[in-house]
Amino acid sequence: LAKTTQPISMDSYEGQEVNITCSHNNIATNDYITWYQQFPSQGPRFIIQGYKTKVTNEVASLFIPADRKSSTLSLPRVSLSDTAVYYCLVGGDRNRDDKIIFGKGTRLHILP
Amino acid sequence: SAVISQKPSRDICQRGTSLTIQCQVDSQVTMMFWYRQQPGQSLTLIATANQGSEATYESGFVIDKFPISRPNLTFSTLTVSNMSPEDSSIYLCSAKLTFNEKLFFGSGTQLSVL
Repeated sequence: LAKTTQPISMDSYEGQEVNITCSHNNIATNDYITWYQQFPSQGPRFIIQGYKTKVTNEVASLFIPADRKSSTLSLPRVSLSDTAVYYCLVGGDRNRDDKIIFGKGTRLHILP
Repeated sequence: SAVISQKPSRDICQRGTSLTIQCQVDSQVTMMFWYRQQPGQSLTLIATANQGSEATYESGFVIDKFPISRPNLTFSTLTVSNMSPEDSSIYLCSAKLTFNEKLFFGSGTQLSVL
């Protein structure tokens, strides 16, 4: 399982775009990159998943460079309710079921 | 998608007793997992609950302390045995529908051991 490294914490202001970068130098060919969001007293919830280039959904965008050794989660125009912990995970070979190991995550704090 | 119901949502237990946490998924899933999360910390995988066979435990977790059952594709239980205050934590059940599918989580069980 590839190890991930992401900032421990980040602060931003309402209305700004927030980019959280995750490093995964040992990513395997078949690995996908997945981001989860966790609010206090709740289980994590899926945000976005990608393999390469760019993926966008109604919540966020995920940018993955050609070498796939890092990825950036982009949250457009954040609000106070985006204050949460964001986890970057790498794995999920389509040919087998993988257990999922969480790293330390990034604690995002949105300020008014 | 999958909806996971986990109960109890919280409990306060005495040292030396055991608590069984139940996890029910509203659809058949390929894999179910149990995690533990200490306050302010990330999630730690306890074990993979295997349907019809013994769970696969991560380093530091043993079956005698955390027996797990998974009798079918939609239900699992985790028992925290012979509890001590160090077992106070949030326990989370999760599941995947298919290969490479995203994880769904229950709302967690907040356990306090006195």
